[in-house]
This record gives sequence, C-alpha cells and structure tokens, in this order.
Amino acid sequence: GDSVTQMEGPVTLSEEAFLTINCTYTATGYPSLFWYVQYPGEGLQLLLKATKADDKGSNKGFEATYRKETTSFHLEKGSVQVSDSAVYFCALRAGSYQLTFGKGTKLSVIP
Amino acid sequence: NAGVTQTPKFRVLKTGQSMTLLCAQDMNHEYMYWYRQDPGMGLRLIHYSVGEGTTAKGEVPDGYNVSRLKKQNFLLGLESAAPSQTSVYFCASSYDSGQTYEQYFGPGTRLTVT
Repeated sequence: GDSVTQMEGPVTLSEEAFLTINCTYTATGYPSLFWYVQYPGEGLQLLLKATKADDKGSNKGFEATYRKETTSFHLEKGSVQVSDSAVYFCALRAGSYQLTFGKGTKLSVIP
Repeated sequence: NAGVTQTPKFRVLKTGQSMTLLCAQDMNHEYMYWYRQDPGMGLRLIHYSVGEGTTAKGEVPDGYNVSRLKKQNFLLGLESAAPSQTSVYFCASSYDSGQTYEQYFGPGTRLTVT
C-alpha cells in the first residue's frame, strides 16, 4: 500500500538556520505530494504541494521538489524563524481523494 | 466563511459512555473525513464520505460510526467509549478538482476517556 516516511523529530534549530525535513514515499502510479503544517493547538493547514515529477512547491519561504527518481519530497527553508515552530506532515494522494500522512516532524526554533 | 468547524473542542468521557462529534463545513465540499491523531502515529483515517448519504471505512474504523445526512455535516459517534479512544480528532473536507485538490481541516476535538 501507499506509505510516507519522514524524518523523526524533534528538530531544534536556532533562528536563521537552514531547515531540511526529509520525506520519502511509496505509492503506485503518480501521486500528488503535500506538506501540511500544524501550529500548536490548531488543525493542519496546507503549506505547499506538487502534482507531478520535477514540480517545485513553495510557500512562505518553504520549498519542496517532487523527485520521482528518488521518490522524495524534502522540505527546505533557508532561514527559519521562531514562528515556524510547528509540526510538519508530509502526505501523498495516489489516485483517490484520500491522503496518506507521514508521522509528522516537530520543529522547534529557538531565538 | 467559517471553513470547517468542530464541536465540541474538549470532552472527557467515562469508559462505556457514548458521544457524538459534529463537523460542519460551509465550502460545499463533497468529501469529508474523520481522522485521529496520536503521538508518534501521525493522522489515521477513521471514516470518510464521498457525498451526502454515503460513508466508508478508513484505516481505523473499529469502535466508531459515522453519518452524513446533510452535505455540510459529518458526524462521528462513539457508542461505548474506551480509553484507547483517547485522542485528538480532526475533521476535514475537500472538493476534488484534480490539481487544485486540498483537504481543509477543522481545529480538532480533544477527547479523554477515563
């Protein structure tokens, strides 16, 4: 079946550090890929997405590129802020309306 | 637009009690979903609905029932609560439109079963 594996957290970074959260997937066909973010006490919000190979999704300084050859969709940001502290979920949609989520990676950014 | 709303926000139940969680969306979405979120487990799909009057089982349906009598509402029921159902429950909805597909989430309901 479909699955998403993302790096275990928690991840703690200093403000302005570079962020990478790894995400790899297993799916039949050509899935769409997503990153969702969950701020403390809130529901999930879509951060970015990519629907085909080599697409780059971007939003709020975050980027991720759909790499079919490595089945990956790593999340990156060049300079994190304290306000980026949240839990980040990688997810895929393969041929249906359902999403398959990774387990989430908690990011803490310290001043 | 309110988006996706959930009622209640918090609830404490004793083992064996029943309750219903209400999800409402005002975006005219066809699809609605119930997830549970547990530490280290990510989000797991409990039940979902592809339209008014239809429901289907997700990954972890046991101990839960759902109903979608109106397009805008999706109810999650626990008939006899167990401590293993202590979790945060999220409702989501989506309009399947190909490349613009996105699930919109509610703020969650924190349920504790003692």
